[in-house]
Amino acid sequence: AQSVTQLDSQVPVFEEAPVELRCNYSSSVSVYLFWYVQYPNQGLQLLLKYLSGSTLVKGINGFEAEFNKSQTSFHLRKPSVHISDTAEYFCAVSFHSSASKIIFGSGTRLSIRP
Amino acid sequence: DTAVSQTPKYLVTQMGNDKSIKCEQNLGHDTMYWYKQDSKKFLKIMFSYNNKELIINETVPNRFSPKSPDKAHLNLHINSLELGDSAVYFCATAAGSGNTIYFGEGSWLTVV
Repeated sequence: AQSVTQLDSQVPVFEEAPVELRCNYSSSVSVYLFWYVQYPNQGLQLLLKYLSGSTLVKGINGFEAEFNKSQTSFHLRKPSVHISDTAEYFCAVSFHSSASKIIFGSGTRLSIRP
Repeated sequence: DTAVSQTPKYLVTQMGNDKSIKCEQNLGHDTMYWYKQDSKKFLKIMFSYNNKELIINETVPNRFSPKSPDKAHLNLHINSLELGDSAVYFCATAAGSGNTIYFGEGSWLTVV
């Protein structure tokens, strides 16, 4: 079965601390991977994506993610967070065999403490 | 000029009513979606259209009927609204496989 799992529903961190948001997927076919951010009362916007090539992907706002095929993971990291990073973060997967189907994880709420 | 625009942004209505949410995109993308986000922020795909043709129809009550009059529009009509339909509905578009999905700002539906 195809699925996306975000194990942490909430991640509290102090400002300027590093953070990692975890994402694992399950698929029998090749995948494309995405991270989206949702600020309060807004739609989702793309942070970064992995399609092919280098497994380390850099995105906007200082975020990066690493695709690990053997562990079927695509964890999101930032070395130093800011108050403005407080938001909901979604991992998403689309499957090469089904171009139109994109599945989202359940989201991780990142809250930054001053 | 908003790439993916939805109307209305907020909608409060009574149980049993019929309502529509409209979506328009100016990106020239072939694929359009409707997603439902519940109170726990869980995002679930409802429908996907490609060039006005229905591609994905997840397990959604048949009270929900999407309509795509042309490639730039995908509307969502909901009949006999129920309390459980209260959610945020997002329209989204993509150029194709592996491409970024662009989301609208969402339509907050509250059924009372």
